[in-house]
Amino acid sequence: GAGVSQSPSNKVTEKGKDVELRCDPISGHTALYWYRQSLGQGLEFLIYFQGNSAPDKSGLPSDRFSAERTGGSVSTLTIQRTQQEDSAVYLCASSSRVGGNKNTEAFFGQGTRLTVV
Amino acid sequence: QQQVKQSPQSLIVQKGGISIINCAYENTAFDYFPWYQQFPGKGPALLIAIRPDVSEKKEGRFTISFNKSAKQFSLHIMDSQPGDSATYFCAATVSYNFNKFYFGSGTKLNVKP
Repeated sequence: GAGVSQSPSNKVTEKGKDVELRCDPISGHTALYWYRQSLGQGLEFLIYFQGNSAPDKSGLPSDRFSAERTGGSVSTLTIQRTQQEDSAVYLCASSSRVGGNKNTEAFFGQGTRLTVV
Repeated sequence: QQQVKQSPQSLIVQKGGISIINCAYENTAFDYFPWYQQFPGKGPALLIAIRPDVSEKKEGRFTISFNKSAKQFSLHIMDSQPGDSATYFCAATVSYNFNKFYFGSGTKLNVKP
């Protein structure tokens, strides 16, 4: 597809279970971001991938959260032993690395709404 | 440390009024400042963007004002409409570098009819 695709769109899980959220970025985009958005709140940065560089994991809230990006494309965000406070919309975005003075844009997916019960 | 600080957190404006959202940054290397608009249930989408070589950019009812010396930029929505009710995010990046975007915390705008 032409845009950033996230799956599932909705996920309900029981407290203590592990979940995996998937992001398919726009083809050719080297940068990929994960953000968390709690109900009615702003964007909380989680992790940033850029090409083959080591990811910036500075936003991950705990060691229960991890993410990987295979082959520089698809990314999976894993939350282990989910807690109720993990309930939020998880947004993925991708952008291209451009040089010079070209304009650039981060394209967002629709998000995965995670509910931990 | 938050690279981009955004205010207010929420804003209520009457139809036809002017909505103003402010952002401030510290990193003088930032050279590209986009604004994103997010409707409920959707991901944020690019609204308008500016580079620091100009002090203002206007697209329809949306204007970005940029103050390089103060390291501040703002979004003005003229003749605000109920359809503008959304959450707005400012962002900044160093476009010639690794292109990481830093987002503000967001402003929830409610335009009352």
